[in-house]
Amino acid sequence: AQSVTQLDSQVPVFEEAPVELRCNYSSSVSVYLFWYVQYPNQGLQLLLKYLSGSTLVKGINGFEAEFNKSQTSFHLRKPSVHISDTAEYFCAVSDIYSTLTFGKGTMLLVSP
Amino acid sequence: NAGVTQTPKFRVLKTGQSMTLLCAQDMNHEYMYWYRQDPGMGLRLIHYSVGEGTTAKGEVPDGYNVSRLKKQNFLLGLESAAPSQTSVYFCASSQGTGNGYTFGSGTRLTVV
Repeated sequence: AQSVTQLDSQVPVFEEAPVELRCNYSSSVSVYLFWYVQYPNQGLQLLLKYLSGSTLVKGINGFEAEFNKSQTSFHLRKPSVHISDTAEYFCAVSDIYSTLTFGKGTMLLVSP
Repeated sequence: NAGVTQTPKFRVLKTGQSMTLLCAQDMNHEYMYWYRQDPGMGLRLIHYSVGEGTTAKGEVPDGYNVSRLKKQNFLLGLESAAPSQTSVYFCASSQGTGNGYTFGSGTRLTVV
């Protein structure tokens, strides 16, 4: 069985500041890891994914994430956020045999 | 290319009424999924399909039924709606877990 823990339900940050959204997972087999973003009243959009290879993954809108197998983490980072990054972010885990399991989400609130 | 289309976008039902939510994808994806999203709960898998004519239960299947008679369509049915089924429902499709999921824009259902 797989599970995902997003450690923060809300992360407030000022515009142009760096941000890190934390995600830890548990799985008994090799995993695929994803970050999705959901803007208000919209569906989920894929930000980035880790399947294998380099542990640093770059995604859209300047976001990146680092896979750390020993710490079972996949934290999302951005060096400088914009007002338009205000949204809910979901971490998700899967393996080759299963469906995606999502975390409960982290609301990123960017203020001027 | 429309991607994943969900109809209707909004619906209000009375307790005990039935309805069907339609999901259509035009990407020739094999896999399709129905999730529900509730505040603070993330996305939870209701049912999914790994191909035309197949369906399987997810994490929260009770009170729902599904059908996948055509590859491009995945229907979610509520036979006797309950207030606990008030939620936002998302459909998604994929060509394999490693590719990530493409989501529809959601259906907001209120059961009164």
